[in-house]
Amino acid sequence: GDSVTQMEGPVTLSEEAFLTINCTYTATGYPSLFWYVQYPGEGLQLLLKATKADDKGSNKGFEATYRKETTSFHLEKGSVQVSDSAVYFCALSRNSNSGYALNFGKGTSLLVTP
Amino acid sequence: EAQVTQNPRYLITVTGKKLTVTCSQNMNHEYMSWYRQDPGLGLRQIYYSMNVEVTDKGDVPEGYKVSRKEKRNFPLILESPSPNQTSLYFCASSLDRDSYEQYFGPGTRLTVT
Repeated sequence: GDSVTQMEGPVTLSEEAFLTINCTYTATGYPSLFWYVQYPGEGLQLLLKATKADDKGSNKGFEATYRKETTSFHLEKGSVQVSDSAVYFCALSRNSNSGYALNFGKGTSLLVTP
Repeated sequence: EAQVTQNPRYLITVTGKKLTVTCSQNMNHEYMSWYRQDPGLGLRQIYYSMNVEVTDKGDVPEGYKVSRKEKRNFPLILESPSPNQTSLYFCASSLDRDSYEQYFGPGTRLTVT
């Protein structure tokens, strides 16, 4: 079935470092792809999305490009801040007779130190 | 303020004692869903609802029930909780089935002893 694989954490970076969190997917058809962020003690929030190949999603300095040829949707940020410390989830849409939901990766914990 | 609320936020209970976790959204969303989050497993869908009186199973429905009598509410019912249902539960909603952006509640941490 459709699935998402993302790099395991935790990832620890110094403030202003460059961030990459890898995400690859397996899917039949053409899913939409998402990055969600979960700050400590909170629910998930949509960070960015891309609905078709070559689309680039961006928000709050984060970017990810939907790469159909490599089935990837890597999250990047040029200069992380302490406030970016959170858990990041890659997800894809699933829309079939068996259900309508997001399939999430296992999450990558990011800790940014001053 | 647009939001999804869940109650209670924390719950410790014993095996077999029926419980209900409430979920409510104030955005007039058609689609609502329950997920559980477990370490190393990410989020898995339990049940979803496309509209009032329309519910269906997700990936891990065993041991759970839901109902959707009103558009805004989507309670999760554990008739006879067991320790393997100890988890962090999230309710989510979206505008409709064609809107992929889901809004999540703050979560309910359930411990079954």
